[in-house]
Amino acid sequence: AQSVTQLDSHVSVSEGTPVLLRCNYSSSYSPSLFWYVQHPNKGLQLLLKYTSAATLVKGINGFEAEFKKSETSFHLTKPSAHMSDAAEYFCVVSELYSSASKIIFGSGTRLSIRP
Amino acid sequence: DAGVTQSPTHLIKTRGQQVTLRCSPKSGHDTVSWYQQALGQGPQFIFQYYEEEERQRGNFPDRFSGHQFPNYSSELNVNALLLGDSALYLCASSLARGGLERAFFGQGTRLTVV
Repeated sequence: AQSVTQLDSHVSVSEGTPVLLRCNYSSSYSPSLFWYVQHPNKGLQLLLKYTSAATLVKGINGFEAEFKKSETSFHLTKPSAHMSDAAEYFCVVSELYSSASKIIFGSGTRLSIRP
Repeated sequence: DAGVTQSPTHLIKTRGQQVTLRCSPKSGHDTVSWYQQALGQGPQFIFQYYEEEERQRGNFPDRFSGHQFPNYSSELNVNALLLGDSALYLCASSLARGGLERAFFGQGTRLTVV
């Protein structure tokens, strides 16, 4: 069965310090994994995507994520947090069945940045 | 070029009523997907429309129905509203052969059922 678990509902870091948002997944097949960001009153924006080409995936705004199959994890990191990073982040797993995809969003992690 | 446009932005309905939400896809996109995002939760896939037909459906009751028009715009209809239907409803447009990463999301319609 396909599932995704975001281990922290809320993460708070100081500006300029590293960010770590954790995501574990479960999939019967070789999934595609994504991270999305949702700012208030804005649409969901894709940060990055993993599809098996490389385990370390670089995204926009300095974010990156590492796919670890042995740990079934896809954690999102950023070396130095910026105030503009404050938002809701979603880990997403997608599996392809025949010609259709099944997409599961995690419950989200709210990232707060302290000045 | 406008992206994905949803209307209305906010809506208040009474339990038992019916509601219609609208979505205009990004120019050139032919596929529309709808998601329900309850407060504090991630979006849940409702269904997807392509060539005016429902191509894929998530685990939602028949009270949730949709339609796609020849210009690719789409409507989401919910009948017999329940308090639990209160949520942000997101529309995403894409090309038929595009993956999730190629989808563009609208800002959503906030539905409150009282």
